[in-house]
Amino acid sequence: GAVVSQHPSRVICKSGTSVKIECRSLDFQATTMFWYRQFPKQSLMLMATSNEGSKATYEQGVEKDKFLINHASLTLSTLTVTSAHPEDSSFYICSAAVGDSRSEQYFGPGTRLTVT
Amino acid sequence: QKEVEQNSGPLSVPEGAIASLNCTYSDRGSQSFFWYRQYSGKSPELIMSIYSNGDKEDGRFTAQLNKASQYVSLLIRDSQPSDSATYLCAVNPFRDSSASKIIFGSGTRLSIRP
Repeated sequence: GAVVSQHPSRVICKSGTSVKIECRSLDFQATTMFWYRQFPKQSLMLMATSNEGSKATYEQGVEKDKFLINHASLTLSTLTVTSAHPEDSSFYICSAAVGDSRSEQYFGPGTRLTVT
Repeated sequence: QKEVEQNSGPLSVPEGAIASLNCTYSDRGSQSFFWYRQYSGKSPELIMSIYSNGDKEDGRFTAQLNKASQYVSLLIRDSQPSDSATYLCAVNPFRDSSASKIIFGSGTRLSIRP
Protein backbone atom coordinates (compact mmCIF):
# COMPACT_ATOMS: atom_id res chain seq x y z
CA GLY A 1 0.00 0.00 0.00
CA ALA A 2 0.83 3.73 0.01
CA VAL A 3 2.11 3.92 -3.56
CA VAL A 4 2.80 7.29 -5.16
CA SER A 5 3.53 7.70 -8.84
CA GLN A 6 5.07 10.60 -10.73
CA HIS A 7 5.05 11.41 -14.39
CA PRO A 8 7.22 11.98 -16.31
CA SER A 9 10.25 10.36 -14.73
CA ARG A 10 12.60 12.39 -16.88
CA VAL A 11 12.07 15.45 -19.05
CA ILE A 12 14.29 17.69 -21.13
CA CYS A 13 12.93 21.04 -22.18
CA LYS A 14 14.18 24.22 -23.78
CA SER A 15 14.74 27.37 -21.79
CA GLY A 16 11.60 29.51 -21.62
CA THR A 17 9.12 26.67 -21.93
CA SER A 18 6.88 25.24 -19.22
CA VAL A 19 6.85 21.74 -17.84
CA LYS A 20 4.08 19.98 -15.92
CA ILE A 21 4.80 17.18 -13.47
CA GLU A 22 2.01 14.95 -12.14
CA CYS A 23 1.92 13.26 -8.77
CA ARG A 24 -0.68 10.61 -8.00
CA SER A 25 -1.48 8.58 -4.92
CA LEU A 26 -2.50 5.22 -6.36
CA ASP A 27 -4.02 3.33 -3.46
CA PHE A 28 -4.98 5.96 -0.91
CA GLN A 29 -6.47 9.40 -0.72
CA ALA A 30 -3.95 12.10 0.08
CA THR A 31 -5.36 15.19 1.69
CA THR A 32 -1.90 16.74 1.62
CA MET A 33 0.88 16.45 -0.93
CA PHE A 34 4.32 17.97 -0.77
CA TRP A 35 6.75 19.05 -3.47
CA TYR A 36 10.49 18.85 -2.93
CA ARG A 37 13.52 19.71 -4.99
CA GLN A 38 16.92 18.11 -4.64
CA PHE A 39 20.14 19.22 -6.30
CA PRO A 40 23.00 16.72 -6.70
CA LYS A 41 24.61 15.70 -3.42
CA GLN A 42 22.35 18.05 -1.48
CA SER A 43 19.50 17.39 0.90
CA LEU A 44 15.79 17.57 0.15
CA MET A 45 14.34 21.05 0.01
CA LEU A 46 10.63 21.45 0.62
CA MET A 47 9.12 23.77 -1.96
CA ALA A 48 5.44 23.76 -1.05
CA THR A 49 2.62 22.02 0.74
CA SER A 50 -0.49 21.31 -1.27
CA ASN A 51 -3.91 20.64 0.22
CA GLU A 52 -6.76 19.34 -1.90
CA GLY A 53 -9.06 22.11 -3.02
CA SER A 54 -7.05 24.98 -1.61
CA LYS A 55 -4.06 27.10 -2.54
CA ALA A 56 -0.62 25.71 -1.94
CA THR A 57 1.58 27.02 0.85
CA TYR A 58 5.02 27.88 -0.44
CA GLU A 59 8.23 27.83 1.55
CA GLN A 60 10.21 31.01 1.90
CA GLY A 61 12.20 31.82 -1.21
CA VAL A 62 10.10 29.68 -3.56
CA GLU A 63 8.39 31.74 -6.28
CA LYS A 64 4.74 30.79 -6.41
CA ASP A 65 4.28 32.34 -9.86
CA LYS A 66 7.10 30.22 -11.24
CA PHE A 67 6.16 26.95 -9.58
CA LEU A 68 2.42 26.55 -10.02
CA ILE A 69 0.81 23.86 -7.92
CA ASN A 70 -2.66 22.48 -8.39
CA HIS A 71 -4.22 19.86 -6.13
CA ALA A 72 -7.49 19.19 -7.89
CA SER A 73 -8.41 15.90 -6.28
CA LEU A 74 -7.47 13.68 -3.37
CA THR A 75 -5.23 11.61 -5.63
CA LEU A 76 -3.62 14.14 -7.96
CA SER A 77 -1.35 17.14 -7.56
CA THR A 78 0.55 18.86 -10.34
CA LEU A 79 3.60 21.08 -10.36
CA THR A 80 4.17 23.32 -13.37
CA VAL A 81 7.57 24.92 -13.79
CA THR A 82 6.87 28.00 -15.88
CA SER A 83 9.42 29.72 -18.10
CA ALA A 84 12.04 27.20 -17.13
CA HIS A 85 15.70 28.17 -17.03
CA PRO A 86 18.82 26.00 -16.77
CA GLU A 87 19.08 26.75 -13.05
CA ASP A 88 15.71 25.02 -12.60
CA SER A 89 17.30 21.75 -13.66
CA SER A 90 16.92 19.48 -10.66
CA PHE A 91 15.30 16.37 -9.24
CA TYR A 92 11.69 17.14 -8.31
CA ILE A 93 10.02 14.76 -5.91
CA CYS A 94 6.48 14.72 -4.59
CA SER A 95 5.20 13.01 -1.49
CA ALA A 96 1.74 12.28 -0.20
CA ALA A 97 0.54 12.08 3.37
CA VAL A 98 -2.01 9.52 4.42
CA GLY A 99 -3.77 12.20 6.40
CA ASP A 100 -4.01 10.69 9.83
CA SER A 101 -2.17 11.49 13.01
CA ARG A 102 0.82 9.37 11.99
CA SER A 103 1.79 11.99 9.35
CA GLU A 104 3.77 9.46 7.33
CA GLN A 105 4.80 10.70 3.91
CA TYR A 106 5.30 8.43 0.94
CA PHE A 107 7.44 9.63 -1.92
CA GLY A 108 6.97 9.35 -5.64
CA PRO A 109 9.93 8.15 -7.74
CA GLY A 110 10.88 11.69 -8.73
CA THR A 111 11.19 13.63 -11.98
CA ARG A 112 14.56 14.63 -13.30
CA LEU A 113 14.22 17.94 -15.16
CA THR A 114 16.92 19.19 -17.49
CA VAL A 115 16.51 22.63 -19.03
CA THR A 116 18.72 23.31 -22.04
CA GLN B 1 20.79 25.25 15.57
CA LYS B 2 19.34 23.04 12.86
CA GLU B 3 15.96 21.54 13.64
CA VAL B 4 17.09 18.02 12.77
CA GLU B 5 20.78 17.17 12.92
CA GLN B 6 22.61 14.18 11.55
CA ASN B 7 26.26 13.41 11.03
CA SER B 8 26.80 13.57 7.27
CA GLY B 9 29.25 10.67 7.26
CA PRO B 10 30.29 8.72 5.37
CA LEU B 11 29.86 5.99 7.95
CA SER B 12 31.75 2.88 6.90
CA VAL B 13 30.68 -0.43 8.43
CA PRO B 14 31.89 -3.95 7.60
CA GLU B 15 29.40 -6.36 6.12
CA GLY B 16 27.57 -8.31 8.81
CA ALA B 17 28.16 -5.71 11.52
CA ILE B 18 25.65 -3.37 13.16
CA ALA B 19 25.31 0.08 11.64
CA SER B 20 24.21 2.78 14.08
CA LEU B 21 22.75 6.03 12.75
CA ASN B 22 21.95 8.92 15.04
CA CYS B 23 19.78 12.00 14.91
CA THR B 24 18.92 14.83 17.29
CA TYR B 25 16.07 17.29 17.03
CA SER B 26 15.43 20.67 18.55
CA ASP B 27 11.67 20.85 19.17
CA ARG B 28 10.83 19.10 22.42
CA GLY B 29 7.14 18.90 21.44
CA SER B 30 7.79 16.73 18.38
CA GLN B 31 5.50 13.73 18.12
CA SER B 32 6.43 11.69 15.07
CA PHE B 33 9.80 10.45 13.89
CA PHE B 34 10.83 8.73 10.69
CA TRP B 35 13.78 7.14 8.99
CA TYR B 36 14.00 7.20 5.21
CA ARG B 37 16.53 5.50 2.98
CA GLN B 38 17.63 7.16 -0.24
CA TYR B 39 19.74 5.45 -2.85
CA SER B 40 21.77 7.66 -5.16
CA GLY B 41 19.57 9.12 -7.89
CA LYS B 42 16.38 7.77 -6.34
CA SER B 43 13.67 9.21 -4.13
CA PRO B 44 13.44 8.54 -0.37
CA GLU B 45 11.77 5.38 0.88
CA LEU B 46 10.15 5.19 4.32
CA ILE B 47 11.70 2.38 6.33
CA MET B 48 10.69 3.11 9.93
CA SER B 49 8.37 5.35 11.88
CA ILE B 50 8.31 5.68 15.65
CA TYR B 51 6.00 7.65 17.91
CA SER B 52 6.73 6.65 21.51
CA ASN B 53 9.83 6.25 23.65
CA GLY B 54 11.72 3.00 23.41
CA ASP B 55 12.61 0.59 20.66
CA LYS B 56 10.69 -0.48 17.60
CA GLU B 57 11.94 -3.42 15.59
CA ASP B 58 11.18 -4.36 12.00
CA GLY B 59 13.31 -7.12 10.57
CA ARG B 60 16.95 -6.05 10.63
CA PHE B 61 16.01 -2.47 11.53
CA THR B 62 15.47 -1.09 15.04
CA ALA B 63 14.46 2.50 15.68
CA GLN B 64 15.11 3.95 19.12
CA LEU B 65 13.48 7.08 20.49
CA ASN B 66 14.38 9.05 23.60
CA LYS B 67 12.20 12.14 23.83
CA ALA B 68 13.84 13.38 27.03
CA SER B 69 17.19 13.52 25.25
CA GLN B 70 15.60 14.56 21.93
CA TYR B 71 17.39 11.73 20.23
CA VAL B 72 16.35 9.13 17.69
CA SER B 73 18.52 6.41 16.22
CA LEU B 74 18.39 3.61 13.69
CA LEU B 75 20.25 0.34 14.07
CA ILE B 76 20.77 -1.95 11.11
CA ARG B 77 21.79 -5.48 12.08
CA ASP B 78 23.70 -7.85 9.80
CA SER B 79 24.55 -4.99 7.45
CA GLN B 80 24.50 -5.85 3.77
CA PRO B 81 26.10 -4.04 0.81
CA SER B 82 22.56 -3.23 -0.35
CA ASP B 83 22.15 -1.13 2.80
CA SER B 84 24.68 1.36 1.41
CA ALA B 85 22.63 4.53 0.96
CA THR B 86 21.90 7.88 2.55
CA TYR B 87 19.64 7.65 5.59
CA LEU B 88 17.40 10.61 6.31
CA CYS B 89 16.00 11.30 9.75
CA ALA B 90 12.72 13.22 9.70
CA VAL B 91 10.66 14.76 12.48
CA ASN B 92 7.16 16.18 12.68
CA PRO B 93 7.64 19.10 15.07
CA PHE B 94 3.98 19.95 15.36
CA ARG B 95 1.83 18.96 18.26
CA ASP B 96 -1.10 18.57 15.88
CA SER B 97 0.58 15.99 13.73
CA SER B 98 -2.23 15.43 11.30
CA ALA B 99 -0.69 15.50 7.84
CA SER B 100 1.73 18.27 8.72
CA LYS B 101 5.00 18.77 6.94
CA ILE B 102 8.01 16.97 8.37
CA ILE B 103 11.49 18.34 8.78
CA PHE B 104 14.33 16.35 7.25
CA GLY B 105 17.91 16.13 8.40
CA SER B 106 20.60 16.42 5.78
CA GLY B 107 21.22 12.66 5.88
CA THR B 108 24.00 10.26 6.81
CA ARG B 109 25.80 8.39 4.05
CA LEU B 110 26.28 4.76 5.01
CA SER B 111 28.75 2.53 3.21
CA ILE B 112 28.88 -1.20 3.90
CA ARG B 113 32.26 -2.61 2.97
CA PRO B 114 32.52 -6.30 1.96
